[in-house]
Amino acid sequence: GAVVSQHPSRVICKSGTSVKIECRSLDFQATTMFWYRQFPKQSLMLMATSNEGSKATYEQGVEKDKFLINHASLTLSTLTVTSAHPEDSSFYICSARDPGQSDYEQYFGPGTRLTVT
Amino acid sequence: GQNIDQPTEMTATEGAIVQINCTYQTSGFNGLFWYQQHAGEAPTFLSYNVLDGLEEKGRFSSFLSRSKGYSYLLLKELQMKDSASYLCAAMDSNYQLIWGAGTKLIIKP
Repeated sequence: GAVVSQHPSRVICKSGTSVKIECRSLDFQATTMFWYRQFPKQSLMLMATSNEGSKATYEQGVEKDKFLINHASLTLSTLTVTSAHPEDSSFYICSARDPGQSDYEQYFGPGTRLTVT
Repeated sequence: GQNIDQPTEMTATEGAIVQINCTYQTSGFNGLFWYQQHAGEAPTFLSYNVLDGLEEKGRFSSFLSRSKGYSYLLLKELQMKDSASYLCAAMDSNYQLIWGAGTKLIIKP
């Protein structure tokens, strides 16, 4: 099956600094990747849809200048949380579609636990 | 608006059967997904239904009724490792997933 990796798995940073999270499709080319955020005991919340070679589409209420998304290649998308604050502490998960396998299934990365102190 | 409802928590006994219900309201419909999520981990895909009826996959089965906006996930022969959250998600007309808050399933010996 399709494999998606994320790095780092856990990160602790100080308030005001920036953090970059990488999402990679290991054995397929992902034209579309998705970034989610999940707070404890809550549902996954889609932050943005990332398309290779074009600007990401952000969901309502998500600040595009704060959450920078870059999808520079068919196997890599990055999410940079700029000027992080404690309220940005959350579980960030990426997913990707493998058009060669399925039109609908999303393959999830293992997630990144961000803690802002 | 778009909405997914599922119970917050359920408890069942090892070896038994449990049914987790999900109702949905979306703008258009392109299928219903069930995912399993263990604490601190990303969701893993369990099933996808787009037509009415029951899909069986080993110990897990998923049912869909499009006219009722209703689905359930049936888990048989429960094992302790099945303790997890089960997320229901409906795909809308834009092929975007609308997620439920998840049902935490607790398995007791």
